[in-house]
Amino acid sequence: DAEITQSPRHKITETGRQVTLACHQTWNHNNMFWYRQDLGHGLRLIHYSYGVQDTNKGEVSDGYSVSRSNTEDLPLTLESAASSQTSVYFCASSEYVDTQYFGPGTRLTVL
Amino acid sequence: AQSVTQLGSHVSVSEGALVLLRCNYSSSVPPYLFWYVQYPNQGLQLLLKYTSAATLVKGINGFEAEFKKSETSFHLTKPSAHMSDAAEYFCAVSDGYGNKLVFGAGTILRVKS
Repeated sequence: DAEITQSPRHKITETGRQVTLACHQTWNHNNMFWYRQDLGHGLRLIHYSYGVQDTNKGEVSDGYSVSRSNTEDLPLTLESAASSQTSVYFCASSEYVDTQYFGPGTRLTVL
Repeated sequence: AQSVTQLGSHVSVSEGALVLLRCNYSSSVPPYLFWYVQYPNQGLQLLLKYTSAATLVKGINGFEAEFKKSETSFHLTKPSAHMSDAAEYFCAVSDGYGNKLVFGAGTILRVKS
């Protein structure tokens, strides 16, 4: 069965360190998204991609970057982790205007 | 710009009672609307979606929602709550182009026995 996976599921890091969160989907979807979930804010869009070599900034992109070298993967990088980036991160994928399928999430703590 | 407002961050109902979770949206173009459910420590799962077809949309687990353009609403209902419905529910809106979703803040549903 097709799926979307995220790794690691839990991560603790220190302020200033570079962190990369992985997202891998086997749906062969063109669209991929990264969201962060914080209490009282729902999910907010960080970055998104419509295909290989395409990346776009979302609502809360400062301090984050993504790259898309193939269809299956969209890694999210925190260039210099800050305590304000402690959150739960979700990756999602979709085909055109259809349903977004979400991964299980990565809980990131920045100390 | 699009936005979503979910009225009530917490809703509590008795088992067997009607579930009503409220969602109002703002969109400058005809919207696509979604309800997602999140169980503890899990990702989001689609309950139902409105994509400009029938205004009454039926989803999984007995949930349904009605798109009311005049009220800019897309409220989620279920006639009879079950203990397994306890979760957090998110309403989301998309302009359909590129499928970017804007989420509401979420409503935590508690079901009392």
